[in-house]
Amino acid sequence: DIQMTQSPPSLSASVGDRVTITCRASQSISNYLNWYQQKAGKAPKLLIYGASNLHSGVPSRFIGSGSGTDFTLTISSLQPEDFVTYYCQQSHSFPGTFGQGTKVEV
Amino acid sequence: QVQLQESGPGLVKPSDTLSLNCSVSGGSIINYYWSWIRQPPGKGLEYIGYISYSGSTNYNPSLKSRVTLSVDTSRDQFSLKLDSVTAADTAVYYCARGKRGYMHVFDYWGQGILATVSS
Repeated sequence: DIQMTQSPPSLSASVGDRVTITCRASQSISNYLNWYQQKAGKAPKLLIYGASNLHSGVPSRFIGSGSGTDFTLTISSLQPEDFVTYYCQQSHSFPGTFGQGTKVEV
Repeated sequence: QVQLQESGPGLVKPSDTLSLNCSVSGGSIINYYWSWIRQPPGKGLEYIGYISYSGSTNYNPSLKSRVTLSVDTSRDQFSLKLDSVTAADTAVYYCARGKRGYMHVFDYWGQGILATVSS
């Protein structure tokens, strides 16, 4: 399986901050990288697919970039509802493995 | 608006079979891939496997010997069976839809169902 490593595991930030989460794949996955947001006790929600494509209805403050093995999710200006957990997932090879998650805290 | 809803027993005894259903509403099960993902309490996400509307399947090698997925297009439902469960199978189980053209990108999820393995 392709291993996905997210960093940091958690970060502290304030409303209005710009934050960046990174995800590294154990081998090249081209642009087959997706980002999900998960609120406590809820199912994950798709934010970005194909490394940089914003899913329908997702605010434009969420920006994805990268290719090959290194990817980033940037939230340009944190809003109160963004203090939750984020997961990356590779969809290059089955099974589509997930990163361990990054919790964004106040 | 597509909605997915998991159902099944919340408590399963060790060595028994976990059986879950996922009902799809607000859209057709046809022409999509349907997946199961699980999340042990306080941990990350694990992709269990997928089934197409026509019944083709692929299972995570780590679970392949114990997993069976099936689909019932007449009822817009698909199902998961996990044999010989242990405490390590305790998790929230999610069903999800593969985005059209991106079968392993999950654009709609069920709310999840907690399945606890305990005697």
